[in-house]
Order: sequence, then C-alpha cells, then structure tokens
Amino acid sequence: QKEVEQDPGPLSVPEGAIVSLNCTYSNSAFQYFMWYRQYSRKGPELLMYTYSSGNKEDGRFTAQVDKSSKYISLFIRDSQPSDSATYLCATGAGGTSYGKLTFGQGTILTVHP
Amino acid sequence: GAVVSQHPSRVICKSGTSVKIECRSLDFQATTMFWYRQFPKQSLMLMATSNEGSKATYEQGVEKDKFLINHASLTLSTLTVTSAHPEDSSFYICSVSVREREQYFGPGTRLTVT
Repeated sequence: QKEVEQDPGPLSVPEGAIVSLNCTYSNSAFQYFMWYRQYSRKGPELLMYTYSSGNKEDGRFTAQVDKSSKYISLFIRDSQPSDSATYLCATGAGGTSYGKLTFGQGTILTVHP
Repeated sequence: GAVVSQHPSRVICKSGTSVKIECRSLDFQATTMFWYRQFPKQSLMLMATSNEGSKATYEQGVEKDKFLINHASLTLSTLTVTSAHPEDSSFYICSVSVREREQYFGPGTRLTVT
C-alpha cells in the first residue's frame, strides 16, 4: 500500500464547475499537507499548505484536512481552463524527516470551455 | 517563496557518458535542497537530500555512486548522472526548502539517454 493514495483521474469538467480533488494517507506521523499544481513538463508549483485539521482558503482554492480519517482535499471553485494541470498532494512528517515530502500520484484535471 | 532555476532544461546524452544538472536558488540561501525524479504520468520520487557543506543523504534504492550530488554553496546544488543508461531517462526536479513545510521546485530537467 502506498503511503499516499490519489486517484489519477483523468478528471474533465466544464468551465465554472467546482472541482474536488482528494488524497488519503496511511502514516499517522504525517503532520503537514500540501497541494501542488504541475503543468506539463514543468516543475510543481506550491498552491496551498496546511498543518492542522480544518479548512484553509486562498482565493478560489480551499484545502481541507481531516486527520482523524487521514483524508485531504482540494476544492477549486469557478474552475477555469487555465486550471487544467496535474494536481499533486504531498505530506511531510517533520522531525528527523525534515523537509521530506511524500507525494500522491497526481490527478490530471482538464477544464474545458 | 523561493525562485529556483535548473540548467539545462533538457539534455540528450549517449549511454556510458556522464551528465551534470545544476539547481540554483536565486533569491534564497538554501542549506537544504532535494532532488526528485519523475517518470511519465507518475509522481515525484525523492532521490536524495542535499545539504550544503556535507554529504548528501540518499533514499533507499538510489545508488549514490551513480547519482553524485554536490552542494558546494548556499545557492547551488548539482546532480551528476554517471555512466548514464537509457533507464536513467527521466524528468529530474530539484527543490529548495524555505521552511520545513514549504518547498519550492525548479522547472525540471528532462534527461534522455540514447
């Protein structure tokens, strides 16, 4: 079993839709959680990070963490064609694992006009 | 955040040769950098942690004699793939750790070994 599971999709939605992207993790030591966006043949771009259960909002993006069920989500409101990319969830444990991130497989999202 | 560059953006080399990839932190003095590789349609896999002024720490299964990492300054880390083999063809990405919870990635280097 992978430490971080993410549905690879692909996911196709119409412009303006609300997108829900999800990951589950198995390691209780994971303390912080991130979402990255990666365009084709580019490096990942940090979208959001959080380290506590609950919601964190930034513009059209909302990150949600439920540590009790080991479930993390990213919601995109009013999706745009420019949001078409691969979205990667990532987690880290801290401590002796300073900075080390474990990534999900990534979900390919296409927003069509 | 941090701005990270990589050079070259893509490189083609022949089997048996060595190729060096540079990772630069342009606006942040990075004591720690990370090297990842990514195969097509797969996620990022951490290869090694690069520490300024000391030896890199490699993840299990990564050959340290094949993937040489040098972090000689706070703004530059290099990854040298030695005796390259076609199976080394991949997308190599470095990242800079600004705070433990924030990593900023370079644009990546696509290596093709023929």
